[in-house]
Amino acid sequence: NAGVTQTPKFRILKIGQSMTLQCTQDMNHNYMYWYRQDPGMGLKLIYYSVGAGITDKGEVPNGYNVSRSTTEDFPLRLELAAPSQTSVYFCASSRDVPARTETQYFGPGTRLLVL
Amino acid sequence: DQQVKQNSPSLSVQEGRISILNCDYTNSMFDYFLWYKKYPAEGPTFLISISSIKDKNEDGRFTVFLNKSAKHLSLHIVPSQPGDSAVYFCAAANFGNEKLTFGTGTRLTIIP
Repeated sequence: NAGVTQTPKFRILKIGQSMTLQCTQDMNHNYMYWYRQDPGMGLKLIYYSVGAGITDKGEVPNGYNVSRSTTEDFPLRLELAAPSQTSVYFCASSRDVPARTETQYFGPGTRLLVL
Repeated sequence: DQQVKQNSPSLSVQEGRISILNCDYTNSMFDYFLWYKKYPAEGPTFLISISSIKDKNEDGRFTVFLNKSAKHLSLHIVPSQPGDSAVYFCAAANFGNEKLTFGTGTRLTIIP
């Protein structure tokens, strides 16, 4: 049981390039989330999904896209990377909504540097 | 607007003493609160939670207190151990809502 896995661990992108951050969970969780954490800041929600085929915007969705074709996978797509997207990205999953279950389970993060 | 605030970016505590981390919130609709712990180069991990129907929840060395009238919660760690050195995030949710709102975190350093 690997939990939530994220690839890559670290990536450098040039301005204007695109990339996909991968996230996979093996806990059969319905809910999946993408967060970004900027230095000295908390985690900001980018997008989330309540099940396969269903996604919704979080607090900071601009410049990102997501898809959820399976329960296990929730990739985050960056189009036309900008320096403002330099951050650490965390994927998380949970069995139920936060108020009915103890926790969201987080992946180890992807550190992205846009130059 | 920061709905969940952790006003102390850092805190240093002697090993064996009590660590108290504080969190304030502004949204009165929040009714479920969680604390997460984060080590460098790792994702956050769940530590302890509390529902608004309680004012205290204990789990071993960790206790969370909730003061709804003051919109304030605190995490007590006693006794503090070197392995407790980490960044602690407070998070809040509305009952039944899918989303968590996180604070900015407090870096706790335990001095041996």
